[in-house]
Amino acid sequence: AQSVTQLGSHVSVSEGALVLLRCNYSSSVPPYLFWYVQYPNQGLQLLLKYTSAATLVKGINGFEAEFKKSETSFHLTKPSAHMSDAAEYFCGTNSGGSNYKLTFGKGTLLTVNP
Amino acid sequence: EAGVTQFPSHSVIEKGQTVTLRCDPISGHDNLYWYRRVMGKEIKFLLHFVKESKQDESGMPNNRFLAERTGGTYSTLKVQPAELEDSGVYFCASSQASSGNQFFGPGTRLTVL
Repeated sequence: AQSVTQLGSHVSVSEGALVLLRCNYSSSVPPYLFWYVQYPNQGLQLLLKYTSAATLVKGINGFEAEFKKSETSFHLTKPSAHMSDAAEYFCGTNSGGSNYKLTFGKGTLLTVNP
Repeated sequence: EAGVTQFPSHSVIEKGQTVTLRCDPISGHDNLYWYRRVMGKEIKFLLHFVKESKQDESGMPNNRFLAERTGGTYSTLKVQPAELEDSGVYFCASSQASSGNQFFGPGTRLTVL
């Protein structure tokens, strides 16, 4: 079964610093991968998704992720962190060959320090 | 456009009691999903409705959980009787097509004491 692993349950960065949230996937076929973000007291919001059209995927709020098959990775980056980026981030994929059953990583809580 | 809404936002009940969670999807979304996140673990799929029909309930933990979607609009998830291990955050999501982006609600935090 396809799965993802998020490295680091908590990442802390300074405002203006690079944000790097790590995600590795386990799949023998080109996967569907995504990142969701959950801001406090809100629902999960889709940041971006990879569907094999392009390896570098740009999302909302200045985030992007690069699909690297050789490393089985789909890390999320943002060049300069903003206080408003503080949230929990979830990497995920589809599961069991279905296109609706989403499988998530355990989440990474991002803290942005002034 | 209103997003996915869930009610209540929090629920605290005693072991053995019954709780019903409600989800209102985005208007026009035929596909509705329930997920659950137990503390410290991943968000996990519970089930999928297309309109009023259950398409996939492979993630439902056991027969103490009953999901319904009357008329293909809102959905309820009933836990009866609740056990300690049912505690967690229950998310609802909806999408237009089964392959489409899923829009999530804020979740219901259930605590079973």
